[in-house]
Amino acid sequence: TQLLEQSPQFLSIQEGENLTVYCNSSSVFSSLQWYRQEPGEGPVLLVTVVTGGEVKKLKRLTFQFGDARKDSSLHITAAQPGDTGLYLCAGSMTTDSWGKLQFGAGTQVVVTP
Amino acid sequence: DSGVTQTPKHLITATGQRVTLRCSPRSGDLSVYWYQQSLDQGLQFLIQYYNGEERAKGNILERFSAQQFPDLHSELNLSSLELGDSALYFCASSVEGGASVAFFGQGTRLTVV
Repeated sequence: TQLLEQSPQFLSIQEGENLTVYCNSSSVFSSLQWYRQEPGEGPVLLVTVVTGGEVKKLKRLTFQFGDARKDSSLHITAAQPGDTGLYLCAGSMTTDSWGKLQFGAGTQVVVTP
Repeated sequence: DSGVTQTPKHLITATGQRVTLRCSPRSGDLSVYWYQQSLDQGLQFLIQYYNGEERAKGNILERFSAQQFPDLHSELNLSSLELGDSALYFCASSVEGGASVAFFGQGTRLTVV
């Protein structure tokens, strides 16, 4: 059983459309990270959020951490084919070791031209 | 390129065999983490080493072991392999043991036949 539930599992959209990926848990996290993983590559960190209610923007990507620090969302505006990849959220309940991150199962996003 | 190097990139072996996966961390990074990624379990933390010593342990099987050498490279040893051990094995590294960010290598895809 995953501590972090991601939805949807798969998302296929046309270039220019918007999309939102959700990451939910019943547990409280001290911080939450979002990664993107492309085929044949390791996950690459996109953002870290640490404060409840925090919103961070990275170009067309907007990340939000829930007020209670139990959930997060990733919103992509005007998606491009280069946004295609597996998006993973990962939560940390401690501050003493990065390795104790709990990863969600991921959302596979496919953006077609 | 994250700067973390993993070898080999692909490995095919038979059940019951033993294999060694190698990881060279980024220059200057003291901490190495091993992760297993499978379709049904997602990314699972296995073990962390910091400056040659075991720092944290996750869901690592007794058939698996790891070590970090004086030059800071790390090896993950998998023995008595089973079909279910087929997965992507990632190494990540960070400067500190309690770092909030780490960088993943490209992974080793292990196939047990």
